[in-house]
Amino acid sequence: EAGVAQSPRYKIIEKRQSVAFWCNPISGHATLYWYQQILGQGPKLLIQFQNNGVVDDSQLPKDRFSAERLKGVDSTLKIQPAKLEDSAVYLCASSRRGYEKLFFGSGTQLSVL
Amino acid sequence: DAKTTQPNSMESNEEEPVHLPCNHSTISGTDYIHWYRQLPSQGPEYVIHGLTSNVNNRMASLAIAEDRKSSTLILHRATLRDAAVYYCILRAAYLDLKTSYDKVIFGPGTSLSVIP
Repeated sequence: EAGVAQSPRYKIIEKRQSVAFWCNPISGHATLYWYQQILGQGPKLLIQFQNNGVVDDSQLPKDRFSAERLKGVDSTLKIQPAKLEDSAVYLCASSRRGYEKLFFGSGTQLSVL
Repeated sequence: DAKTTQPNSMESNEEEPVHLPCNHSTISGTDYIHWYRQLPSQGPEYVIHGLTSNVNNRMASLAIAEDRKSSTLILHRATLRDAAVYYCILRAAYLDLKTSYDKVIFGPGTSLSVIP
């Protein structure tokens, strides 16, 4: 079974630029998660989708971050404009249903200069 | 969100057993105890979960205290590939969920070093 795919693997941008990350979850998984992981910390949940709909985005900085999940499959996370403190690894995960175990991608490492 | 506390770091010698503790004194009666681990430069991966009874799988064993206020992840023979950050997480039981999902909240975890 193919795992969770994320791209790009690395991204370097300057502050105030925009950036987008892409995630393709495991086929058939209804729940998709985006996490932000700052160096030395545990992953922080940014947004959670159940099929097409957002079920939690309480930790998403909505003035600069946005996310969508197209047709309940792929998802993109966008930052516009980026700040220095957005430098982190952005992890995508999926689960078959919202109470089952999560499968993570390898993440996108973002450096904001 | 229910909370767990874990030591920041632990060390183990290669080929020796490792016991990773987790305290969850505010656990509710139907919360499951889940463990994930994160190898360097990778996303977290599921290790094991349990409710009341001890659990074993090919990766590890989970020992749950009788009062469920603590649990221990046991790696029977640590290898260098087990060096990772280990996260202990509480998750609601499906039947308790008003909706069909819960939030999966990670703490800082325990960083395990394995000494050759």
